[in-house]
Amino acid sequence: NAGVTQTPKFQVLKTGQSMTLQCAQDMNHEYMSWYRQDPGMGLRLIHYSVGAGITDQGEVPNGYNVSRSTTEDFPLRLLSAAPSQTSVYFCASRTRVGGETQYFGPGTRLLVL
Amino acid sequence: GEDVEQSLFLSVREGDSSVINCTYTDSSSTYLYWYKQEPGAGLQLLTYIFSNMDMKQDQRLTVLLNKKDKHLSLRIADTQTGDSAIYFCAERPLTGGGNKLTFGTGTQLKVEL
Repeated sequence: NAGVTQTPKFQVLKTGQSMTLQCAQDMNHEYMSWYRQDPGMGLRLIHYSVGAGITDQGEVPNGYNVSRSTTEDFPLRLLSAAPSQTSVYFCASRTRVGGETQYFGPGTRLLVL
Repeated sequence: GEDVEQSLFLSVREGDSSVINCTYTDSSSTYLYWYKQEPGAGLQLLTYIFSNMDMKQDQRLTVLLNKKDKHLSLRIADTQTGDSAIYFCAERPLTGGGNKLTFGTGTQLKVEL
């Protein structure tokens, strides 16, 4: 199993540009999430999904969209990037039943100029 | 809502024990986690405990939970230079909340020779 994979590893955007951060898992996990990590603030939940076709907002959803058309993929879209979205983004997944362990991807570093 | 707090820094000598502390506010049944993040990497789950337990030991790691004070600690015995990292405390309610992990700000552990 590859686990949770994220692409790209690093991205530089200009203010107003759009992009999609990719996340995929091959463990057949129902639950997937996106977090952002900022210095001194830990990780904060952006959006999450409890299964294909179902998504919900987390703590800091503004400026981000998600979709879950398959169990494996959970892309995060920035429609119009802002400097405040400069951060490290982590995708995570776990099973619904007995899923105490949440698996994290390696992260995407995003710089918005 | 839930809140998780940690001290920001801890410095120890190699071979000593490290104790990283965390407090949380959720009053419901909850899972409590310790994650390790090395520089430039994602989060690695170290251990977790359910809120009805007092202690959990796994090799060099000991987790202690004071339910009355909502205080969680992670003790690392015989701390090594490879233990230098950021350690995150996180909690997730047993019911409701979807896939939401609430993280502390992280404790930077520095191990000196």
